Amino acid sequence: DAGVIQSPRHEVTEMGQEVTLRCKPISGHNSLFWYRQTMMRGLELLIYFNNNVPIDDSGMPEDRFSAKMPNASFSTLKIQPSEPRDSAVYFCASSLFRGQLNTGELFFGEGSRLTVL
Amino acid sequence: AQKITQTQPGMFVQEKEAVTLDCTYDTSDPSYGLFWYKQPSSGEMIFLIYQGSYDQQNATEGRYSLNFQKARKSANLVISASQLGDSAMYFCAMRGGSGAGSYQLTFGKGTKLSVIP
Repeated sequence: DAGVIQSPRHEVTEMGQEVTLRCKPISGHNSLFWYRQTMMRGLELLIYFNNNVPIDDSGMPEDRFSAKMPNASFSTLKIQPSEPRDSAVYFCASSLFRGQLNTGELFFGEGSRLTVL
Repeated sequence: AQKITQTQPGMFVQEKEAVTLDCTYDTSDPSYGLFWYKQPSSGEMIFLIYQGSYDQQNATEGRYSLNFQKARKSANLVISASQLGDSAMYFCAMRGGSGAGSYQLTFGKGTKLSVIP
């Protein structure tokens, strides 16, 4: 079975450039999450979607960050313009949300390692 | 607000010995779930074990068990018969019980486990 697929795996770019990270969740999952991981701050939730609708984007650090989920099988996280402090590993994860007693674990992609010079 | 605390930045264990990784949590939700993930040096996030707040018994998955003490708000991970491949970062995470907060996982800072041959 295919897991969560992220691309690119590695991205090196220069400050000021636009960066687009892509994610394909597991088929049938109805929730999608974008996390950022750094040494200093650990794993931070940026935004999550349920049934393609953004539920909470309070973790998005600045207006430079935006995320979309045009359909159930695709999501993007865009940074424009990028800055060196955006360097991190960005994880996409998906889950099947079953309601109040939600026991579904998050399945993570392999992450996209972003370096902004 | 939910909070996960992992007080051990790093741990060492002799191969074949058991090790306990600590996790305490704070939440006002009566219903919640607790998760443990493993992140090896290759970077992927691997789900290990889940414990629901209403589960009567401690969760077990192979060599992994979760020592759930609800009154103390602790959910320690016990790894029995440690193997060299267990060397990794281990993250404790929590999901709240209701509403929008029940979607996301809040992660602790992690514990780096090193297994010594």
